[in-house]
Amino acid sequence: AQSVSQHNHHVILSEAASLELGCNYSYGGTVNLFWYVQYPGQHLQLLLKYFSGDPLVKGIKGFEAEFIKSKFSFNLRKPSVQWSDTAEYFCAVPGSSNTGKLIFGQGTTLQVKP
Amino acid sequence: NAGVTQTPKFQVLKTGQSMTLQCAQDMNHNSMYWYRQDPGMGLRLIYYSASEGTTDKGEVPNGYNVSRLNKREFSLRLESAAPSQTSVYFCASSEIVGANNEQFFGPGTRLTVL
Repeated sequence: AQSVSQHNHHVILSEAASLELGCNYSYGGTVNLFWYVQYPGQHLQLLLKYFSGDPLVKGIKGFEAEFIKSKFSFNLRKPSVQWSDTAEYFCAVPGSSNTGKLIFGQGTTLQVKP
Repeated sequence: NAGVTQTPKFQVLKTGQSMTLQCAQDMNHNSMYWYRQDPGMGLRLIYYSASEGTTDKGEVPNGYNVSRLNKREFSLRLESAAPSQTSVYFCASSEIVGANNEQFFGPGTRLTVL
């Protein structure tokens, strides 16, 4: 069965620090990978996604993620975080290609100190 | 274009009461989903509807029922609420185009069961 694991549950950084959030997946089908972000009190919104091609994917707000097939990983990165990046981040993989279901990781709470 | 809307935003119930959470999308998506979000557990799928007229159980369906009223609307019903159902509920929709099953989320309903 498909699964997603996020190893960092709570990360605290100072502004301008670099960010890397881990995501590992177990998935037997065509690999589609997503990162969603949830700002405090808001709904989830898509940060970036990978379907095929260049394994380095760029998303909104300066975020990027690298798909490494050999490591079953899709880590999220940002060179310099801002206070406004304080949010919860979720990695997701398809649960079934026929129904559009997504399996979400447990989430990582990022707190950026000004 | 409102995207995915949910009502109500907040609700407090007593144990044993019933209620229906409403969800509507105006993106002409075929698939719709209900998730619950609990601290440290990410998002867990309750029910989904791959297309109008079909519904299927997700990961945590017990205690819930759903109705896909038409292509736009997908409601979630709690027949006899329990404190364990205290959570934030998110509705989402998607249109699977090739490998793209990106989901779009509503603002959520924060439910407390006393």
